[in-house]
Amino acid sequence: GENVEQHPSTLSVQEGDSAVIKCTYSDSASNYFPWYKQELGKRPQLIIDIRSNVGEKKDQRIAVTLNKTAKHFSLHITETQPEDSAVYFCAASRGSGYSTLTFGKGTMLLVSP
Amino acid sequence: DAGVIQSPRHEVTEMGQEVTLRCKPISGHDYLFWYRQTMMRGLELLIYFNNNVPIDDSGMPEDRFSAKMPNASFSTLKIQPSEPRDSAVYFCASTNQLAGAFADTQYFGPGTRLTVL
Repeated sequence: GENVEQHPSTLSVQEGDSAVIKCTYSDSASNYFPWYKQELGKRPQLIIDIRSNVGEKKDQRIAVTLNKTAKHFSLHITETQPEDSAVYFCAASRGSGYSTLTFGKGTMLLVSP
Repeated sequence: DAGVIQSPRHEVTEMGQEVTLRCKPISGHDYLFWYRQTMMRGLELLIYFNNNVPIDDSGMPEDRFSAKMPNASFSTLKIQPSEPRDSAVYFCASTNQLAGAFADTQYFGPGTRLTVL
């Protein structure tokens, strides 16, 4: 089955710095890669996703890149703010008809003022 | 839309008791997933349904766990008998089958925090 590795497990940055979280996946058939943000005591919520037919996607301060050849994808957060502090999960899915997501173990991001 | 609804939000019970968690998916979604989240193991998929039919229950840890989806708007996850190691946050999520090759976003409910004493 699919295996998703996520690094780092914790990440501390100063407000205004950039943060990068990286994930690798094992199943070359995976084609959908969402990122979820989970604040303390809350549910995971989708912040951005990418499909295998594109290499990069941006949404304001958040971007995701995908390298299908190397089977890795990354989340980039620029100009970090204290409210970005949360646990971030990457996930991979083989797509429609195989809609299960395999999650990484999560990255705890702490943004200090 | 109210999103995925779960009840109860918190459950405290004693070892050996039966626990039933409930989930109402987003209307029109044809996939429903049950996850368990712990610090040690992260987010684990327990079971998922497609059109009310269980598709894969390989993540269900033991026979003490069972799940049903009697109709498109309701699912239950039951633990009987419960044990302290079942303490975790249980999430329900739902999504829609897209035409084409790609999966769609999974939307999570608020979760049920279960504590088994």
